[in-house]
Amino acid sequence: DAKTTQPTSMDCAEGRAANLPCNHSTISGNEYVYWYRQIHSQGPQYIIHGLKNNETNEMASLIITEDRKSSTLILPHATLRDTAVYYCIVRVRDSGGGADGLTFGKGTHLIIQP
Amino acid sequence: DGGITQSPKYLFRKEGQNVTLSCEQNLNHDAMYWYRQDPGQGLRLIYYSQIVNDFQKGDIAEGYSVSREKKESFPLTVTSAQKNPTAFYLCASSIFFSAEAFFGQGTRLTVV
Repeated sequence: DAKTTQPTSMDCAEGRAANLPCNHSTISGNEYVYWYRQIHSQGPQYIIHGLKNNETNEMASLIITEDRKSSTLILPHATLRDTAVYYCIVRVRDSGGGADGLTFGKGTHLIIQP
Repeated sequence: DGGITQSPKYLFRKEGQNVTLSCEQNLNHDAMYWYRQDPGQGLRLIYYSQIVNDFQKGDIAEGYSVSREKKESFPLTVTSAQKNPTAFYLCASSIFFSAEAFFGQGTRLTVV
């Protein structure tokens, strides 16, 4: 069973904020939410991760609901180069090795329109 | 420049031949991974290694083999037993097993 559910595709106008939702209703207390993206024919790129607090870095913001059952990745000012498949992954973050392999689902194909 | 390097970018082989894909990282990461991606599909995990001299099968390990003799290197051999070897192969590494992973640019293997 998939741990996350994402829309198959989304459009966003260039210069606007792109908000990508992810449902993870069965997330465990020790699982983090990770976001990656893959631009066509390139390797995936790590974007951001979080546990329960909202997080922001130079690429994006991650908003996690209080019950942790869903999250939203926000690209504040989308550009054409942000067109990619975005993957939401939940995973234990444990330096002791107690985690499953990193598993990618189908993701959301975000298309930025000029 | 620190990073993860896959070579070559494109590789062609005849059916029945084994082929080894290179993956090197200078990030001092303990964990490394190999994925396969088919057109229009997501990534599927082939093998992963949490630490040098150790590796585990992923979801689709049949027809593949790996080694992890050095921390920096995690080569993948696609053997003749792999029924559909033509695919885009991606290598990744992370500082420890479940930390955020950083990917190489991939090797596109075509078997003719």
